[in-house]
Amino acid sequence: AQKVTQAQTEISVVEKEDVTLDCVYETRDTTYYLFWYKQPPSGELVFLIRRNSFDEQNEISGRYSWNFQKSTSSFNFTITASQVVDSAVYFCALRGRSSNTGKLIFGQGTTLQVKP
Amino acid sequence: EAQVTQNPRYLITVTGKKLTVTCSQNMNHEYMSWYRQDPGLGLRQIYYSMNVEVTDKGDVPEGYKVSRKEKRNFPLILESPSPNQTSLYFCASSGEGGLGQPQHFGDGTRLSIL
Repeated sequence: AQKVTQAQTEISVVEKEDVTLDCVYETRDTTYYLFWYKQPPSGELVFLIRRNSFDEQNEISGRYSWNFQKSTSSFNFTITASQVVDSAVYFCALRGRSSNTGKLIFGQGTTLQVKP
Repeated sequence: EAQVTQNPRYLITVTGKKLTVTCSQNMNHEYMSWYRQDPGLGLRQIYYSMNVEVTDKGDVPEGYKVSRKEKRNFPLILESPSPNQTSLYFCASSGEGGLGQPQHFGDGTRLSIL
């Protein structure tokens, strides 16, 4: 079975604080893909990043960074110097190689509120 | 601009009145899929399509139909909508290169069935 757990339901920070969103996944596939999506208040789903199971390099994109650790089955997302515009629901998702439907397994999402 | 376009964005309708939510992508993607998002249940796959004329059921297909006659279009059809189909719907597409390609989502369609 495949599963994604985002244990943090809601996080509230003050602008300019750093914040880390946790994601833990389960899969029996040796090849799999992990994703992060952002859903702002307007409702659309915006793709942020993809990571392959065989590529454990961390990635930084501006204020965003991602830490992938296979040993702990985690793919955490850090926002540095948060801004009000970062307020959104963030979803971690998994797609295993064995999936014949191509569907993404989403976590329940973490609602991030950044206060001015 | 590469995008997935859904229409309508919002719709309020009544039980039993057939409706179609259109989805079109301009990225020449083979794979397309429909999801619904509900509070407490997250995002669930309704139907998917690996290519033209190839469609199959996802996790929650009951009450829905789809078709894939052209690569770019993947409409979602509710033949006889019921209140339990009130939800936020997303169409998604991804390209070749295997299942590791990211799915790009439309802006969503908020359906209310009274």
